[in-house]
Amino acid sequence: ETGVTQSPTHLIKTRGQQVTLRCSSQSGHNTVSWYQQALGQGPQFIFQYYREEENGRGNFPPRFSGLQFPNYSSELNVNALELDDSALYLCASSSARLENNEQFFGPGTRLTVL
Amino acid sequence: AQTVTQSQPEMSVQEAETVTLSCTYDTSESDYYLFWYKQPPSRQMILVIRQEAYKQQNATENRFSVNFQKAAKSFSLKISDSQLGDAAMYFCAYRSSTSGTYKYIFGTGTRLKVLA
Repeated sequence: ETGVTQSPTHLIKTRGQQVTLRCSSQSGHNTVSWYQQALGQGPQFIFQYYREEENGRGNFPPRFSGLQFPNYSSELNVNALELDDSALYLCASSSARLENNEQFFGPGTRLTVL
Repeated sequence: AQTVTQSQPEMSVQEAETVTLSCTYDTSESDYYLFWYKQPPSRQMILVIRQEAYKQQNATENRFSVNFQKAAKSFSLKISDSQLGDAAMYFCAYRSSTSGTYKYIFGTGTRLKVLA
């Protein structure tokens, strides 16, 4: 069984640019969540997708958007990057069939905004 | 809104000794899940242990156990026979069991150092 994978591992952008981060869910999982983890902090919930529809959103502005594809892979897009967007971005996949709807996390993408 | 608080930014333990990490949370819900995750330098969040709020029995996974005090809204993690590989950031997390969005609410983490 393949785990959750994310790409790229890390990247550097400048203020005002746009970025797309990718996540491949664990096999059989139909739900994906994205989290932002600033340095020295716990992960903060950005949003969740279930069967290609947004299924909940945290306190993040609209320039954070996402997509989930029929194969349940997912993208996180961030427009008009700001310095404070520098963080580790984690995606987590889950399935309603799993006990507790447990989320399985990927290794994250480290984004640095200069 | 639910909140999770970890008041110990850093803890140290001697190898083979026992350490307890603290976590408190606030919620008005009666049914929820609590988790402890480990995040080593590799950044991968690894589930250590979970607790269902409706279960009075404390969860145990090998050397890891929890002390779940529902009335006090406390959820501490005890690591017995600490090993060098236990060194990592540990995050306490809350998840509602009734919300349609299964988001996790995390604390700020505790960095655990294991001394040889």
